[in-house]
Amino acid sequence: AQTVTQSQPEMSVQEAETVTLSCTYDTSESDYYLFWYKQPPSRQMILVIRQEAYKQQNATENRFSVNFQKAAKSFSLKISDSQLGDAAMYFCAYRSAETSGSRLTFGEGTQLTVNP
Amino acid sequence: DTAVSQTPKYLVTQMGNDKSIKCEQNLGHDTMYWYKQDSKKFLKIMFSYNNKELIINETVPNRFSPKSPDKAHLNLHINSLELGDSAVYFCASSSILGLAGTDTQYFGPGTRLTVL
Repeated sequence: AQTVTQSQPEMSVQEAETVTLSCTYDTSESDYYLFWYKQPPSRQMILVIRQEAYKQQNATENRFSVNFQKAAKSFSLKISDSQLGDAAMYFCAYRSAETSGSRLTFGEGTQLTVNP
Repeated sequence: DTAVSQTPKYLVTQMGNDKSIKCEQNLGHDTMYWYKQDSKKFLKIMFSYNNKELIINETVPNRFSPKSPDKAHLNLHINSLELGDSAVYFCASSSILGLAGTDTQYFGPGTRLTVL
């Protein structure tokens, strides 16, 4: 079974600075997808970014980018120019690409605080 | 034009009662999911349906029964509610578009269930 670990329960960053959230995972599969979801206080789960394991190029979405290290099974999220609205719980998630419609396996989450 | 909606958003009830949570998606997706988020914010899959057929059924008490009348709806019925059922329940949907792995999951706003 796959597992996802987020070793940082809490992180803080100053507004306009850069922060990196860590995620590691364990799997025996070669083809899979990785995601970062954001959950603000409204509790809505919002997709931030996704990465296909077969792609070597790191995914980027505006101020959000990932550092995907397949051999190390590491998938960190970098938030540049942090904004107050980035404050939220961030979840890393894994999904197998070998089975359509398969589940998301989530990490424990990292609570990000943005200080003005 | 809400993509994935859930009703109700809040549900407070007494132990032993039976309650239902409804989920609807207007994204044209063919796969729907129920996730449970516990008090520590940990998210875990409960069920998944594809075209009204159950494809994932985690180790969930049989007091929980999902029902999918059509591929746009997935309801969750809970019998004999217990204190430990208190949590936030998320519905999600995705589309299996031929190639395995293209189905990013989109979440509803969540239903906070409190059992007294």
